[in-house]
Amino acid sequence: QVQLEESGPGLVKPSETLSLTCSVSSGSITSDYWSWIRQPPGKGLEWIGYISYSGTTDYNPSLKSRSTISLDTSKNQFSLRLSSVTAGDTAVYFCARHTTLTLFGVASAGGMDVWGQGTTVTVSS
Amino acid sequence: SYDLTQPPSVSVSPGQTATITCSGDELGAKFAYWYQQKSNQSPLLIIYEDNKRPSGIPERFSGSNSANIVTLTITGTQAMDEADYYCQAWHNNALVFGGGTKLTVL
Repeated sequence: QVQLEESGPGLVKPSETLSLTCSVSSGSITSDYWSWIRQPPGKGLEWIGYISYSGTTDYNPSLKSRSTISLDTSKNQFSLRLSSVTAGDTAVYFCARHTTLTLFGVASAGGMDVWGQGTTVTVSS
Repeated sequence: SYDLTQPPSVSVSPGQTATITCSGDELGAKFAYWYQQKSNQSPLLIIYEDNKRPSGIPERFSGSNSANIVTLTITGTQAMDEADYYCQAWHNNALVFGGGTKLTVL
């Protein structure tokens, strides 16, 4: 069973770049689709973006200009960088694996069937 | 931007049927997914592709998609089902969540 674990600094200063890593175990990063999602305190889920096994990315339009998701196949990890952070970026950050949806022979990301436990990131000076 | 609208809260008595709706433009033409999130836990996928249950999800959870409304139904609701529920769909290669519904089992 695939397992995911987020890691990274729990405290980031305003205007700096938030960097998180998701380590994938019992599965390969070179298959499937992988997402980052966040949840501000007391609020709902917000999708940040995803990366495919081939390195294709898509992002939430509201965060696209500040977000970068990348794969590290040698370490079986994928990462998130979110630049120019503010207090509004304070949240629990989750990584997740997507199911694969195949329609008319074309594969795409479906829902998210495996999640990490989440890591809390606070933006504060 | 694309929005999915859920009621903020739903209450149900134990053993009764809970219904949570999610509405959005042309939602009937998309696949919907549902997640359950209990307090201080990661979300759990409970319905995928409108009406399919992942392995291990109890049969009392079911989903449907009609026109612009998708519905999560919990038949014979149990106290352990008290949680936040989120719908999700894809729109123009972007993943969208509904605002979430807090289910209270009274």
